[in-house]
Amino acid sequence: EAGVTQSPTHLIKTRGQQATLRCSPISGHTSVYWYQQALGLGLQFLLWYDEGEERNRGNFPPRFSGRQFPNYSSELNVNALELEDSALYLCASSLAGYSSTDTQYFGPGTRLTVL
Amino acid sequence: DQQVKQNSPSLSVQEGRISILNCDYTNSMFDYFLWYKKYPAEGPTFLISISSIKDKNEDGRFTVFLNKSAKHLSLHIVPSQPGDSAVYFCAAKMGRVGGTSYGKLTFGQGTILTVHP
Repeated sequence: EAGVTQSPTHLIKTRGQQATLRCSPISGHTSVYWYQQALGLGLQFLLWYDEGEERNRGNFPPRFSGRQFPNYSSELNVNALELEDSALYLCASSLAGYSSTDTQYFGPGTRLTVL
Repeated sequence: DQQVKQNSPSLSVQEGRISILNCDYTNSMFDYFLWYKKYPAEGPTFLISISSIKDKNEDGRFTVFLNKSAKHLSLHIVPSQPGDSAVYFCAAKMGRVGGTSYGKLTFGQGTILTVHP
């Protein structure tokens, strides 16, 4: 069974540009999550999508946004890029995000570098 | 406010011995706990989890213990192998009563485990 996939693997942008990151969940999973791991920091929750709707959002500015498509894949958009947005962006998926004992499985990540 | 803490940044263990990784949490509303293993520039790999209704869960060489009264959990790896060398993260989740914390995982800062041959 294929795991969570993310594209691209690496992305280099300059300040002020927009970045789009993509994620395909494990087959059968309806919930998709996005996390940021900046250098020297832990994994910080960004967004949770389930059945095409945004269900929860972390403490990030509105220029971080995303969406979930009917096939449950997801895209994360970061507008007006700043240097501190340079980080590893991780996508995770789960079978039932509303369940207390739901386990999230992570993809390999997209390394975003902002110059 | 760091709700999940891994106070040991690193741990060094000899091959074949036991590795014990610790994690403390402050919010009693967490009811599901997970351990992930991560290599640099890769995504975390799920290892093992435990629900708050249990105090122990085993899966092969990995055992997780939960002490709710102390708000403490630990991951035991026996026997440790050089391939276990990685960063280990504990994570915690709240159910629906979590409000704005609902659905997300809250991670500790990670512990770097090095297993020497």
